[in-house]
Amino acid sequence: SQQGEEDPQALSIQEGENATMNCSYKTSINNLQWYRQNSGRGLVHLILIRSNEREKHSGRLRVTLDTSKKSSSLLITASRAADTASYFCAAGGGSQGNLIFGKGTKLSVKP
Amino acid sequence: DAMVIQNPRYQVTQFGKPVTLSCSQTLNHNVMYWYQQKSSQAPKLLFHYYDKDFNNEADTPDNFQSRRPNTSFCFLDIRSPGLGDAAMYLCATSPGTANYEQYFGPGTRLTVT
Repeated sequence: SQQGEEDPQALSIQEGENATMNCSYKTSINNLQWYRQNSGRGLVHLILIRSNEREKHSGRLRVTLDTSKKSSSLLITASRAADTASYFCAAGGGSQGNLIFGKGTKLSVKP
Repeated sequence: DAMVIQNPRYQVTQFGKPVTLSCSQTLNHNVMYWYQQKSSQAPKLLFHYYDKDFNNEADTPDNFQSRRPNTSFCFLDIRSPGLGDAAMYLCATSPGTANYEQYFGPGTRLTVT
């Protein structure tokens, strides 16, 4: 069964606005990762937050993790048209560290 | 640049005709993964190799096999493709398992006619 579930499924904003995507997962994790996928392409890793971390920043990205609620959020500040893509959370757990991906949020940033 | 390469980018095969997708990496990573991603769905892990150790996901159909002849290359064999196997197949690598990011190739889009 899927571990991660993103919310919303689709998000449309204007350039310059902030975009927030949420993710929930079901079981224990070692880490929570976010990936980006442009249409018809492979995934690109954005950020990894470990289970003992609560917040992490990378450029215009801010990720939070609440293990008590089994949830994470990805904030993209000052969005650009080039940020248009699908964003997936992936829960990493177990000794194998396998990732279980959510269905993704499709973000559209209008110029 | 170090990277993950998948060939071909697009593959058309006939129903029931075996097909092989390939993945190579210049990152020298220990772990290589194969995912299946159907339209508007999440990538789903099929199996992975840690070095030569093969790890199959419990729900991966027997129709899917994999080979890793050396560190750099990994192959996905679909023995008898069905229409339901049409999907994007993504290869990924990572230096290790727990707490590592994965590096993805561009994917191979498989069409079954």
